[in-house]
Amino acid sequence: GNSVTQMEGPVTLSEEAFLTINCTYTATGYPSLFWYVQYPGEGLQLLLKATKADDKGSNKGFEATYRKETTSFHLEKGSVQVSDSAVYFCALSDSWGKLQFGAGTQVVVTP
Amino acid sequence: NAGVMQNPRHLVRRRGQEARLRCSPMKGHSHVYWYRQLPEEGLKFMVYLQKENIIDESGMPKERFSAEFPKEGPSILRIQQVVRGDSAAYFCASSVEAGKETQYFGPGTRLLVL
Repeated sequence: GNSVTQMEGPVTLSEEAFLTINCTYTATGYPSLFWYVQYPGEGLQLLLKATKADDKGSNKGFEATYRKETTSFHLEKGSVQVSDSAVYFCALSDSWGKLQFGAGTQVVVTP
Repeated sequence: NAGVMQNPRHLVRRRGQEARLRCSPMKGHSHVYWYRQLPEEGLKFMVYLQKENIIDESGMPKERFSAEFPKEGPSILRIQQVVRGDSAAYFCASSVEAGKETQYFGPGTRLLVL
């Protein structure tokens, strides 16, 4: 079956540091890949997505590239802010749209 | 365009009671997904519905849990005879089509079973 593995947290960074969260997946076919962000006490917000190999999703300074050869979708941001502190979820969708999530990675950015 | 709405935001029930969670999808969205986030666990798919139809309920416990999405009105996730292990955040998401379309999430209902 489908599965998503992402690096464990928490990841603690200083403001303006570079952020990478690794995400790898196992899937049949060609799933779409997503990064969602969850702030405390809130629902999930779509951060970015990619629907086919070599697509790059980007939003708010975050980027991720759909790498079919390495089955990866790593999230990166060049310079984080305190407001980026949240839990980040990597996910893939099957043909029905059912999302399979990774365990989530908590990111803490300190001033 | 209002986003996905869920109510109540917080729900407290005693063991053995029933919990009803409501989800109103975004306007124009006819596909609804329910997910559960248990403490110390990730988000898990429960059920996928289209108007008046359950398409995939493979993630929903076989007993006590049911879901519907009637022609008119919100989608309902119903938990009968709640137990402490049902305490979790329940999220609803909607999309305009199934498959690769983006799902938009509601704020969730946090259920606490005493």
